[in-house]
Amino acid sequence: EDQVTQSPEALRLQEGESSSLNCSYTVSGLRGLFWYRQDPGKGPEFLFTLYSAGEEKEKERLKATLTKKESFLHITAPKPEDSATYLCAVQARSTGFQKLVFGTGTRLLVSP
Amino acid sequence: GAVVSQHPSRVICKSGTSVKIECRSLDFQATTMFWYRQFPKKSLMLMATSNEGSKATYEQGVEKDKFLINHASLTLSTLTVTSAQPEDSSFYICSASFLAGVLGTDTQYFGPGTRLTVL
Repeated sequence: EDQVTQSPEALRLQEGESSSLNCSYTVSGLRGLFWYRQDPGKGPEFLFTLYSAGEEKEKERLKATLTKKESFLHITAPKPEDSATYLCAVQARSTGFQKLVFGTGTRLLVSP
Repeated sequence: GAVVSQHPSRVICKSGTSVKIECRSLDFQATTMFWYRQFPKKSLMLMATSNEGSKATYEQGVEKDKFLINHASLTLSTLTVTSAQPEDSSFYICSASFLAGVLGTDTQYFGPGTRLTVL
């Protein structure tokens, strides 16, 4: 069974204090790994897609990396506006490649 | 690009009434649309997958007769909650995808969600 596990469940940072969020996955035939940001009461906002081990993508203060077993979302010098829940999801052969299997998310709070 | 809208954003209704939620892809044609439900502080739970002109595929445990999905066009899908009950109160989110890129991975773009409260 495909599984996605995110850690930590919650993370509190001071503004400017860099850190990483982890997404571990066990899937049969990974097609893509996705990172989303979700603000309270809103739908998830697409951030990145990663396809293969070794791939990296960056957007502003965020950098996503992928290995064969996990992905990291690095947040450099975060600002209060980066506070949100960050969701990791995978598409895999076992679910017909269309469906997303989500982790439970990491709630990030950045204090000024 | 890749904007998905939902309407209404919030709805309050009495038990026994039916509620329709619309999901539109505004600037692309969606090959597939998905409907999710999210409980407070929980992750998204997939309810069903639908392709334009086809019957929706429901996840195990989701009542087809309770949650009616119609995918009338490449830009519009609707979810109707029939005879809504208080336990149907939740945050409903749709997403839309299209085959993109060399690898053809379907990136899902999400709508802003609809908060349903059944009294």
